[in-house]
Amino acid sequence: AQSVTQLDSHVSVSEGTPVLLRCNYSSSYSPSLFWYVQHPNKGLQLLLKYTSAATLVKGINGFEAEFKKSETSFHLTKPSAHMSDAAEYFCVVSDQISNFGNEKLTFGTGTRLTIIP
Amino acid sequence: DAGVTQSPTHLIKTRGQHVTLRCSPISGHKSVSWYQQVLGQGPQFIFQYYEKEERGRGNFPDRFSARQFPNYSSELNVNALLLGDSALYLCASRPYSGGRNTGELFFGEGSRLTVL
Repeated sequence: AQSVTQLDSHVSVSEGTPVLLRCNYSSSYSPSLFWYVQHPNKGLQLLLKYTSAATLVKGINGFEAEFKKSETSFHLTKPSAHMSDAAEYFCVVSDQISNFGNEKLTFGTGTRLTIIP
Repeated sequence: DAGVTQSPTHLIKTRGQHVTLRCSPISGHKSVSWYQQVLGQGPQFIFQYYEKEERGRGNFPDRFSARQFPNYSSELNVNALLLGDSALYLCASRPYSGGRNTGELFFGEGSRLTVL
């Protein structure tokens, strides 16, 4: 069974300082890992994804994440926070399924990011 | 191009009633998935459909059902509503990519269901 654990339910950082959102995963297969962002009253948007290529993945809006198999982690970082980054962030895992048809994503419980002016 | 569209955006029902939620995927996307997001939690997988066939089902009771139409739009039906069914219901679509699960889904803004 696959699962993700987001280690912080709420993170607050000052504008212009680094952001770190932590995620650990568990998967029986070689996983695909994602970070999605959800702004208030908006749908989920893909930030970045890891699918067994480079372990350091760059996403939109300056975010990046590093896949560390030895630590089963996929933490999300950004060098400098912006007010517009305030949102809910979800770490997501999907087992690699060879036949098309099973695309179940397992979401973490989310981390609410607050940016202090 | 239009994104994933869902209707209605908000609705209120009472216990025991039935609800139908609708979703139109992005043009060209043949796969539709449904997720339930209870307040304060991450979305949970309910169903996935591709080419009008059910391809995956999450751990939800038989009161939940869905279908996909020839134009790839989809409906989610919930019977005998319970208070615990109150949630944001998200629809997501993705293009067929030749077999490999890339996992990238395009989500609608959801239908917020309140059961009283």
